[in-house]
Amino acid sequence: EPEVTQTPSHQVTQMGQEVILRCVPISNHLYFYWYRQILGQKVEFLVSFYNNEISEKSEIFDDQFSVERPDGSNFTLKIRSTKLEDSAMYFCASSVGTASSYEQYFGPGTRLTVT
Amino acid sequence: GNSVTQMEGPVTLSEEAFLTINCTYTATGYPSLFWYVQYPGEGLQLLLKATKADDKGSNKGFEATYRKETTSFHLEKGSVQVSDSAVYFCALSGHYNQGGKLIFGQGTELSVKP
Repeated sequence: EPEVTQTPSHQVTQMGQEVILRCVPISNHLYFYWYRQILGQKVEFLVSFYNNEISEKSEIFDDQFSVERPDGSNFTLKIRSTKLEDSAMYFCASSVGTASSYEQYFGPGTRLTVT
Repeated sequence: GNSVTQMEGPVTLSEEAFLTINCTYTATGYPSLFWYVQYPGEGLQLLLKATKADDKGSNKGFEATYRKETTSFHLEKGSVQVSDSAVYFCALSGHYNQGGKLIFGQGTELSVKP
C-alpha cells in the first residue's frame, strides 16, 4: 500500500539554525499538508499546498517557515531560524483532493528538538 | 472558529471492556468528522469518518455517530483488544469550501491490559 514517508525521523538542532524537514507524499496525490504537535498538545495545522503554491496557512506559519516541492516528488518544510518553541513532532500529509470525502494520509512524523 | 474537544486520557481498560471516547465540536456550516488513530511509532491513520448529520462511521469494530443536535462524535467499541492500544484523535474538516485542513482534538491515549 502506498504511504507517505518522512525524513529524518528525529532532528536535533541548535536555536537559530535552519532545518529542512522532508516528505515524500503518495505519488498521485495533489494536495499536501504540514501539521505539528508540540508535546502534550493538539495536532495543529500549519499549511496546505496545491499546484505549487500555498493554498492556506495558519497563524503559526510565519515568515520563518516556508514550503517547497522542489522536484515533483519531495515536499519540504523549512524553518529558517529555529526557536526553542519550534520543538515538536511535524507531520506531513497528502490527499487526492480537498473535499472531506478524500482521506488525508499521514507520514510517521519528524521529531524536531531545538536546543 | 472551529474547534474540537475530546476527553482527556490516558484511558486504561481491560481486554473485552466497552470503550467510549467523547468528542464534541464547534463549527460553522456542515463539517465532516473523523477519528484518526496513531499506533506507537507510526503516523496518523484514518479510522472512520462521517460527512453529514446522523451518519455513522464504522471500521474495525469502532463506531461513531455524527450528532448535530449535541455537536458530538463519540467513539465506541464494544470489546477492546490489547492491539487497540494507541492514541485516538477526533478531528473535523470544515464545510467543503473551507479547504481541506483538519482541526484536531488533543488526543486520547488508550491502554488495554490483557
